[in-house]
Amino acid sequence: DQQVKQNSPSLSVQEGRISILNCDYTNSMFDYFLWYKKYPAEGPTFLISISSIKDKNEDGRFTVFLNKSAKHLSLHIVPSQPGDSAVYFCAASVMNYGGSQGNLIFGKGTKLSVKP
Amino acid sequence: ETGVTQTPRHLVMGMTNKKSLKCEQHLGHNAMYWYKQSAKKPLELMFVYNFKEQTENNSVPSRFSPECPNSSHLFLHLHTLQPEDSALYLCASSQDPRGNYGYTFGSGTRLTVV
Repeated sequence: DQQVKQNSPSLSVQEGRISILNCDYTNSMFDYFLWYKKYPAEGPTFLISISSIKDKNEDGRFTVFLNKSAKHLSLHIVPSQPGDSAVYFCAASVMNYGGSQGNLIFGKGTKLSVKP
Repeated sequence: ETGVTQTPRHLVMGMTNKKSLKCEQHLGHNAMYWYKQSAKKPLELMFVYNFKEQTENNSVPSRFSPECPNSSHLFLHLHTLQPEDSALYLCASSQDPRGNYGYTFGSGTRLTVV
């Protein structure tokens, strides 16, 4: 059973507009969430993360929102650029007692296409 | 280059072959991971090594055999694979965590079993 779900396999957005990628999780023990971006023929690269003690984290054009009660997080990209076209993976982990990182659990990914 | 290097990038092997995938990192990370990415599936964790010790085997069939001789190198030995094992195999590493969590991934090995 999938603990991290990305229900939209693909998303198409016009350049300059906002891209919103969604992710849902089922494990209430998850307390750290990450987004990775993956280009073809490359491994995923870390994009942005958020701890469960926050509901928003912003880094330039990228903002991640966390709604713990809904077990939902989203990645907003504003403004979207053609170079943002990639597969975006949502991931979650449980921080073990003592601060050790639990293993990352990934969603299936959402393929974002930003059209010029 | 991310700092995690995987070789080979592509591999085609028969079901009776034995091959090995290699992963190398010089980031000073202490944990290394093997993930499998199949089409239309989430990234699946296969093995975890912390300080060279295997800490997790995620119910992976024995035809996949990991080896971690030191904290910089990780291997995945393959033998008698099945066509359904064809996938992208990703290696990742991470620091023993404090602070900015996340994994650094290699570019992967695209494996095709014929």
